[in-house]
Amino acid sequence: SQTIHQWPATLVQPVGSPLSLECTVEGTSNPNLYWYRQAAGRGLQLLFYSVGIGQISSEVPQNLSASRPQDRQFILSSKKLLLSDSGFYLCAWRAGGNYGYTFGSGTRLTVV
Amino acid sequence: RKEVEQDPGPFNVPEGATVAFNCTYSNSASQSFFWYRQDCRKEPKLLMSVYSSGNEDGRFTAQLNRASQYISLLIRDSKLSDSATYLCVVNVRKDSSYKLIFGSGTRLLVRP
Repeated sequence: SQTIHQWPATLVQPVGSPLSLECTVEGTSNPNLYWYRQAAGRGLQLLFYSVGIGQISSEVPQNLSASRPQDRQFILSSKKLLLSDSGFYLCAWRAGGNYGYTFGSGTRLTVV
Repeated sequence: RKEVEQDPGPFNVPEGATVAFNCTYSNSASQSFFWYRQDCRKEPKLLMSVYSSGNEDGRFTAQLNRASQYISLLIRDSKLSDSATYLCVVNVRKDSSYKLIFGSGTRLLVRP
């Protein structure tokens, strides 16, 4: 069966520090992968999506970047965190076709 | 205008009540539709897909009106465990990929 892993579960980082969040998927190949952010009390905002290795589409201009170095690995990064980067970061994958997504358990990031 | 709009609630109902949530979407090219459930500080989980003919899953009934760009979710015989935020989700095809666009969610509180 397919599973999706995200880590860490929680993270507290100072302003100006770098960030690297990793997401991996098991049990499938060539998944479409997505990074979402949910600010406190807000809806989910699509940040990046990837349809294959090295292919990244950015939805909104921001302080973050994404990379897909392997088929089942999706990484969210920042060189210098801002206070406004705080939020709940969720990775998701879609098997293909017109289906919903499965989410990882998320990383709760607090920038202090 | 938001791409997917929902009443944020909260809907505060007694156990056993019937409650209905509504959602509208703006992109007429939307391909498919879903309701997700999100518990506090957890990732969203797929509750059910929404089909044009309407579909039912136990106590939950979903309806779609493509002409009005309107989606609904009906919960009958509410349980305490139904307390959560319900997210209306639209799958939009853009370029060669699909993207899920989330509403901000409707919060449901079921009281004893």
